[in-house]
Amino acid sequence: AQSVAQPEDQVNVAEGNPLTVKCTYSVSGNPYLFWYVQYPNRGLQFLLKYITGDNLVKGSYGFEAEFNKSQTSFHLKKPSALVSDSALYFCAVREGNAGKSTFGDGTTLTVKP
Amino acid sequence: EADIYQTPRYLVIGTGKKITLECSQTMGHDKMYWYQQDPGMELHLIHYSYGVNSTEKGDLSSESTVSRIRTEHFPLTLESARPSHTSQYLCASSELGMGVHGYTFGSGTRLTVV
Repeated sequence: AQSVAQPEDQVNVAEGNPLTVKCTYSVSGNPYLFWYVQYPNRGLQFLLKYITGDNLVKGSYGFEAEFNKSQTSFHLKKPSALVSDSALYFCAVREGNAGKSTFGDGTTLTVKP
Repeated sequence: EADIYQTPRYLVIGTGKKITLECSQTMGHDKMYWYQQDPGMELHLIHYSYGVNSTEKGDLSSESTVSRIRTEHFPLTLESARPSHTSQYLCASSELGMGVHGYTFGSGTRLTVV
């Protein structure tokens, strides 16, 4: 069985500061890992993914995430947060390219001016 | 039983044809979405709707259009299908203010354009 955990319900950062949204996962085989963002009144939007290759992956809007196999983590990061980054962020995992993704419960990011 | 239905499940069609993918939900949800998903990969938001007569484009450039004349119905139309449209199309609905765990996904339409 696959699972994903986002240990923080809320993350608050000041504009211009770096941000990290945490995600840990559990799968039997090779993980496919995804981050999605949901702005108010919009659907889920894809940010970035890790399938294979470099552990540091870059995505939309300046976000990046680091795959750490030993810690089974895939934390989302951005060097300098913007107020417009305030949204709900979801981590998802699937085992390989079959089946459905399992989503975390989401983390609300609030960036204050 | 409250659910979300997509038809057809599978569709093979020739280039240049016009197609409509159907999506209906019986839960009375205000929000509905169309996603494109290549096998085993991420979801890409194509269109979404807050309610009747409200539609918006998502973050994936698409040559499709949608309509929301009734709360329960959210069809997606491709005016002229191309091989690059080959993919799986997922419809979803949710209540206002809910995150992904409030989503109900349809079973999808797997489209192949030849």
